[in-house]
Amino acid sequence: NAGVTQTPKFRVLKTGQSMTLLCAQDMNHEYMYWYRQDPGMGLRLIHYSVGEGTTAKGEVPDGYNVSRLKKQNFLLGLESAAPSQTSVYFCASSSLPGVAYEQYFGPGTRLTVT
Amino acid sequence: RKEVEQDPGPFNVPEGATVAFNCTYSNSASQSFFWYRQDCRKEPKLLMSVYSSGNEDGRFTAQLNRASQYISLLIRDSKLSDSATYLCVVNAGSSNTGKLIFGQGTTLQVKP
Repeated sequence: NAGVTQTPKFRVLKTGQSMTLLCAQDMNHEYMYWYRQDPGMGLRLIHYSVGEGTTAKGEVPDGYNVSRLKKQNFLLGLESAAPSQTSVYFCASSSLPGVAYEQYFGPGTRLTVT
Repeated sequence: RKEVEQDPGPFNVPEGATVAFNCTYSNSASQSFFWYRQDCRKEPKLLMSVYSSGNEDGRFTAQLNRASQYISLLIRDSKLSDSATYLCVVNAGSSNTGKLIFGQGTTLQVKP
């Protein structure tokens, strides 16, 4: 059981380039999330999805777009990368929220924008 | 004011020590509380949920004080393998989105 996977694991971009990060989960979870983690800042929510075909903005959505065309996949796009988007990106998923709200995380994507 | 605040540490303790981490949260509507553990350059993983009555899992004890909006994690008999960053996490109020708010984490280093 793979859980949550992310591709790629590492990427270096030049300012202005675009890329898409892929998150996939095999747990049939309804909810999926994209976070970024920066030193001293903790995890910050970029966008999230409460089901196939739906997306919503999180705390820091500017400069990012997302799509959830299939329940198991959640894509994060950077249209024109900026050095401020250098970060570690984590995807997470959870089942329908109940008491626990536990989120399962992927291994992360380390992105550097030069 | 941050929604979830933790002392970032680092906490440097010898093996066998007892260490306590504290966390405060600002949204009184939050209903679910967790401690996640994050190893260096790895993803966060759930350590334990925190219940109003307090709960224990082996050497780990979590407490919740809703009136003070305060959460704690106590680690007894620290092991080298406990070295990690501990994230205090609360759900984002009463919304049904499953959104979680993460503290910036407290780093623990257990020394031989």
